[in-house]
Amino acid sequence: QKEVEQNSGPLSVPEGAIASLNCTYSDRGSQSFFWYRQYSGKSPELIMSIYSNGDKEDGRFTAQLNKASQYVSLLIRDSQPSDSATYLCAVKVETSYDKVIFGPGTSLSVIP
Amino acid sequence: EPEVTQTPSHQVTQMGQEVILRCVPISNHLYFYWYRQILGQKVEFLVSFYNNEISEKSEIFDDQFSVERPDGSNFTLKIRSTKLEDSAMYFCASSVGRQETQYFGPGTRLLVL
Repeated sequence: QKEVEQNSGPLSVPEGAIASLNCTYSDRGSQSFFWYRQYSGKSPELIMSIYSNGDKEDGRFTAQLNKASQYVSLLIRDSQPSDSATYLCAVKVETSYDKVIFGPGTSLSVIP
Repeated sequence: EPEVTQTPSHQVTQMGQEVILRCVPISNHLYFYWYRQILGQKVEFLVSFYNNEISEKSEIFDDQFSVERPDGSNFTLKIRSTKLEDSAMYFCASSVGRQETQYFGPGTRLLVL
């Protein structure tokens, strides 16, 4: 059974701080990794995709991937109250064509 | 900016009834997907669709479910005889290619009574 694990939180950080979100996955052959943001009652919204080991930066967001450790993380710099949401880690399963497995999400609360 | 649209936004139905959820994927996308999210739980993959046929389906996608692209724009999910446990948010998604980012629609909240 392929699994994606995340700390459920809630993770609380003060406005302006760095929020660090972590994800581990069980399928060692996975090659595609995604971070989605989901506001309550809304659909997932893609923040970042990452495919290679190392860091990938996009504005205030940095995704980090370590395939050897089967670990992917998301850093949010200068956190804003509008970043308060649930962050979903998603992994494309290597052994299937299209299946993406989502983690349970980490709830982030940015305190003004 | 192009986006995936879904109708209806909410659907209430009686157990045993058939429902059809509709989606209009982004126009130049070729791959289409349905996911569901039971309240408070993970987003779960149901099915992918390409070139007018199912590409892959999960164990959730049993004989009660079917998908169709009836014309050049719509992509539908049919549940033949709804059960209480089918109550969930159903998301449609589409992507340009198999390895490309999947963009999600706003979802249809289905409540089975």
